[in-house]
Amino acid sequence: AQSVTQPDIHITVSEGASLELRCNYSYGATPYLFWYVQSPGQGLQLLLKYFSGDTLVQGIKGFEAEFKRSQSSFNLRKPSVHWSDAAEYFCAVGARSASGGSYIPTFGRGTSLIVHP
Amino acid sequence: NAGVTQTPKFRVLKTGQSMTLLCAQDMNHEYMYWYRQDPGMGLRLIHYSVGEGTTAKGEVPDGYNVSRLKKQNFLLGLESAAPSQTSVYFCASSYPRTVANEQFFGPGTRLTVL
Repeated sequence: AQSVTQPDIHITVSEGASLELRCNYSYGATPYLFWYVQSPGQGLQLLLKYFSGDTLVQGIKGFEAEFKRSQSSFNLRKPSVHWSDAAEYFCAVGARSASGGSYIPTFGRGTSLIVHP
Repeated sequence: NAGVTQTPKFRVLKTGQSMTLLCAQDMNHEYMYWYRQDPGMGLRLIHYSVGEGTTAKGEVPDGYNVSRLKKQNFLLGLESAAPSQTSVYFCASSYPRTVANEQFFGPGTRLTVL
């Protein structure tokens, strides 16, 4: 079965600093990987996704992530954090459903990003 | 397009009461999901549906039932609510023809069981 680990429960950065959120996955085949963001009181919004091709993926709001198969990682990065980036971030891996149909994502426990002015 | 909508937004129940949460999507998505979100636990899949008339159990299905009578709606039922079901519930939908199976989420329902 697939699993996702986000080692950091909370991350605190200063506005303007760079950011890296860690995500490690476990899955026997080629994974489909996602990063979602959840602002307070809101649902989740897709930031970016990887399923093939270039291992460096660009997303919305200036985020990017790099897929490293050798490390089973899909870390999220941003060169300069804005106060509005304060939110909960979830990594997810997609795996085939029991019926063999489409991929059912499994989510990590999330990382809460705190941005200091 | 409204996307994915959930009703109600908030609800307080007493132990043993029943209720139904409604999820609706207007994107003609085949797949729909119900998750619960608890502090430190991330999102856990309760049930999902791969099409009208079909449902399947997820990671934490006990105490919940679902129905997908219409393609655009996915109902989550609690027959006899327990305090352990206090949580924020999210519905999501996706279009499986997209290989990466990106999900679209509703705004959530905050449920408190006393």
